[in-house]
Amino acid sequence: DAMVIQNPRYQVTQFGKPVTLSCSQTLNHNVMYWYQQKSSQAPKLLFHYYDKDFNNEADTPDNFQSRRPNTSFCFLDIRSPGLGDAAMYLCATSRGRRTLNTEAFFGQGTRLTVV
Amino acid sequence: GESVGLHLPTLSVQEGDNSIINCAYSNSASDYFIWYKQESGKGPQFIIDIRSNMDKRQGQRVTVLLNKTVKHLSLQIAATQPGDSAVYFCAENFAGNQFYFGTGTSLTVIP
Repeated sequence: DAMVIQNPRYQVTQFGKPVTLSCSQTLNHNVMYWYQQKSSQAPKLLFHYYDKDFNNEADTPDNFQSRRPNTSFCFLDIRSPGLGDAAMYLCATSRGRRTLNTEAFFGQGTRLTVV
Repeated sequence: GESVGLHLPTLSVQEGDNSIINCAYSNSASDYFIWYKQESGKGPQFIIDIRSNMDKRQGQRVTVLLNKTVKHLSLQIAATQPGDSAVYFCAENFAGNQFYFGTGTSLTVIP
């Protein structure tokens, strides 16, 4: 059974039109992450939540925002998508360092196309 | 569309041979490391992890070696199979909860 679920798997959006990507987890993990992965590149961390505490990476553009309304759900909002934002967006979860730190579990990703 | 990506390092091996994939990590304070396998169009999948108080850890057909002196990780896959063809990433964790990924290596297994 899928433990980190991303919807939709494929998303097409118009240049400049706000778009939201969704992630849910059944693991009850404290930490939820959003990564951006472009073709033939490593996943790049955008931000993460530890419970309700939001942690932004220094080089994440302001165009990217996130919300975590509860333990199970986390959203990635792209306020004004540009062509350069076309990528695979990966959601992941982990228990976090305050408990015994374990690996991050990834969803299958959402492939975002900007037209 | 997407910007042109960098070319990943590639490794081609014959089926049945052993594979060694290398990774240089960036932060000497990192104390937890993971190897992930990523197949085309899918999310990364956990293979094996190691903490900084260890030099070596073995799993089923896989071994991870950690050399903290030179900040180097390697993943050894024994008796490589066609199903092992994928991109392999190492990830490091330090201080907070963030996992940062290395460049990745594309492994192709030749039947």
